[in-house]
Amino acid sequence: AQSVAQPEDQVNVAEGNPLTVKCTYSVSGNPYLFWYVQYPNRGLQFLLKYITGDNLVKGSYGFEAEFNKSQTSFHLKKPSALVSDSALYFCAVRDILASKIIFGSGTRLSIRP
Amino acid sequence: SQTIHQWPATLVQPVGSPLSLECTVEGTSNPNLYWYRQAAGRGLQLLFYSVGIGQISSEVPQNLSASRPQDRQFILSSKKLLLSDSGFYLCAWGDRQEAFFGQGTRLTVV
Repeated sequence: AQSVAQPEDQVNVAEGNPLTVKCTYSVSGNPYLFWYVQYPNRGLQFLLKYITGDNLVKGSYGFEAEFNKSQTSFHLKKPSALVSDSALYFCAVRDILASKIIFGSGTRLSIRP
Repeated sequence: SQTIHQWPATLVQPVGSPLSLECTVEGTSNPNLYWYRQAAGRGLQLLFYSVGIGQISSEVPQNLSASRPQDRQFILSSKKLLLSDSGFYLCAWGDRQEAFFGQGTRLTVV
């Protein structure tokens, strides 16, 4: 069965510092992996995805994520955080043989000025 | 380009009343369709997904049901709402690679 774990409920970072939001996954086959961001009372916005190819994926707003097959991880990163990055971030996984997309529990990112 | 419409944006319903939330997609054919619920601003729980007309997969037993009467229409329903049905409901459509979300419906059962 598919599953996604986001071990941190909240991540606090000072503006200008690098940030990492962690995600690990479990699927029976090869994974499609995604990161989404949610601002208050809004739907989810797509940030980036890993389908195949280069393990380092670059996405919107300067975010990137690294696919690590041996550690079954897909951590979200940004070299220099902005206050406007403060939001709720979700990791998601889809088994390429399945139709459903499963989300993690979300990590609240707080960037202090 | 593809767009997804979800309505209403907010809804307040009394306990025991029926529910119908509608989601429609434009600009694509035979999409996978999904209903998620988000409680208390946290994790997304997959409720139902559909890979075609009349094909509904339920992920968790509950007070809700879903239907797909047309290719690009996905409806979430309940015959009698419970207080525990309150939450933020998100519809999404997906191709083989990613999912695209509607703006959500905040349901408050009182």
